[in-house]
Amino acid sequence: DAGVTQSPTHLIKTRGQQVTLRCSPKSGHDTVSWYQQALGQGPQFIFQYYEEEERQRGNFPDRFSGHQFPNYSSELNVNALLLGDSALYLCASRLAVSYEQYFGPGTRLTVT
Amino acid sequence: AQSVTQLGSHVSVSEGALVLLRCNYSSSVPPYLFWYVQYPNQGLQLLLKYTSAATLVKGINGFEAEFKKSETSFHLTKPSAHMSDAAEYFCAVNNAGGTSYGKLTFGQGTILTVHP
Repeated sequence: DAGVTQSPTHLIKTRGQQVTLRCSPKSGHDTVSWYQQALGQGPQFIFQYYEEEERQRGNFPDRFSGHQFPNYSSELNVNALLLGDSALYLCASRLAVSYEQYFGPGTRLTVT
Repeated sequence: AQSVTQLGSHVSVSEGALVLLRCNYSSSVPPYLFWYVQYPNQGLQLLLKYTSAATLVKGINGFEAEFKKSETSFHLTKPSAHMSDAAEYFCAVNNAGGTSYGKLTFGQGTILTVHP
């Protein structure tokens, strides 16, 4: 049973560029959340997707957007990258009726 | 609104000693509480969870935590530390229902160091 997978593992981008991160949820899960973890801090909630719609959003600007596909996989897009966007981006999945979230290994984004 | 405070960004113990990592939460509704562990360059692994059943919760790797509503605390303990316990630990809260269901709010994390 595959757990949550994310790609790519690492990514280096330049300020002003755009980036897309991908996530495949744990088998059977239908809800995906994205978190940003800056160095030395706890993860911060970005948004959550269910039934291909954004259901909840944290305090992140509109430069952060996402998508969920019919197979429940998800993408996180960040436009106009800033140096401060450098972080580990974590994807978590769960069943909509469950509180228990399973995390992927993350994508390390470095903005130079 | 919900928040989590982890007291002590670094905790150091000797192998075989008691591990105590502190977590206090704030929540306007009954909370679900979680402890996650993160090893270097990895994602988060769920250690244990409290979901309004027994107040003493047992998790993986010998860890346990006790929910104390009067103290708004959910401290993590392990009777005897192993070298393999060295990692960063995060406490998280999720409101049990309501509009923020599924949104985890994390503490700042506590780095546990275990000395031989």
